[in-house]
Amino acid sequence: AQKITQTQPGMFVQEKEAVTLDCTYDTSDPSYGLFWYKQPSSGEMIFLIYQGSYDQQNATEGRYSLNFQKARKSANLVISASQLGDSAMYFCAMREDFGNEKLTFGTGTRLTIIP
Amino acid sequence: KAGVTQTPRYLIKTRGQQVTLSCSPISGHRSVSWYQQTPGQGLQFLFEYFSETQRNKGNFPGRFSGRQFSNSRSEMNVSTLELGDSALYLCASSLTRGLGTEAFFGQGTRLTVV
Repeated sequence: AQKITQTQPGMFVQEKEAVTLDCTYDTSDPSYGLFWYKQPSSGEMIFLIYQGSYDQQNATEGRYSLNFQKARKSANLVISASQLGDSAMYFCAMREDFGNEKLTFGTGTRLTIIP
Repeated sequence: KAGVTQTPRYLIKTRGQQVTLSCSPISGHRSVSWYQQTPGQGLQFLFEYFSETQRNKGNFPGRFSGRQFSNSRSEMNVSTLELGDSALYLCASSLTRGLGTEAFFGQGTRLTVV
C-alpha cells in the first residue's frame, strides 16, 4: 500500500490565487512527521514546512500552511497568493519511527502558475 | 553558509562500469542520507549514515553501497551499472537525527547509463 498518496499529478493556478496540494498518508506508528518539499527544475529539494503527529496546531511558514487532519490522515499544503516562482514539483513526505531518518515520498504534484 | 554539495553534477557511464558519487554536507551536519529519483519509481531511500556508521538501508541490491568519512562527507558507489540505474541521485544532510529534523538536499548527481 502507498504510504504517501498525492492524487494530483498536475495543477494549473492563476497567479495570486491560493492553491491546495493534497496529501494523504498511511501509518500505524503514532509518532511520525510530515514534510513538504519543493523541487524546481534545478533538481534541489527545498524544505517548505513540517508537521509533527503530536502538534496541536497546523504548521505555518510564511505563505505556506499545512492543513493537518489527523483522523483523515491528510496533510494538505496550502500556498497563499501564488507567485510565478512557485511553479515546481511539490512532494509530500513522511518520516516514521524516531531514529529512522528515512523519508518516504509521494509521487509529487507539478504546479504551474499562470500569469 | 554553504549548502549540500554533490559532485559531479552530471555523469555518463557504460553498462557494467562502476561509479562513485560524492556528497559534502552542510558544515556541522552529521547525518547524510541518499535517495534515488527516477520517473518510474519516484524518490526512493537508499541509505543513511551518521557518525561514519550506516544506520538505515533501503531496498536496493548490494551493488549500491556507501560510506561516510570522519568529516561527515559521504560517498556512494554503484558497481556493475545497469541501464535502470540511470537516475538523479540526491544527498541530504541533517544536523542530527530525529523525527522533525529538517533534511537539506543537494542539487543531485544525474547519472546516465548507456
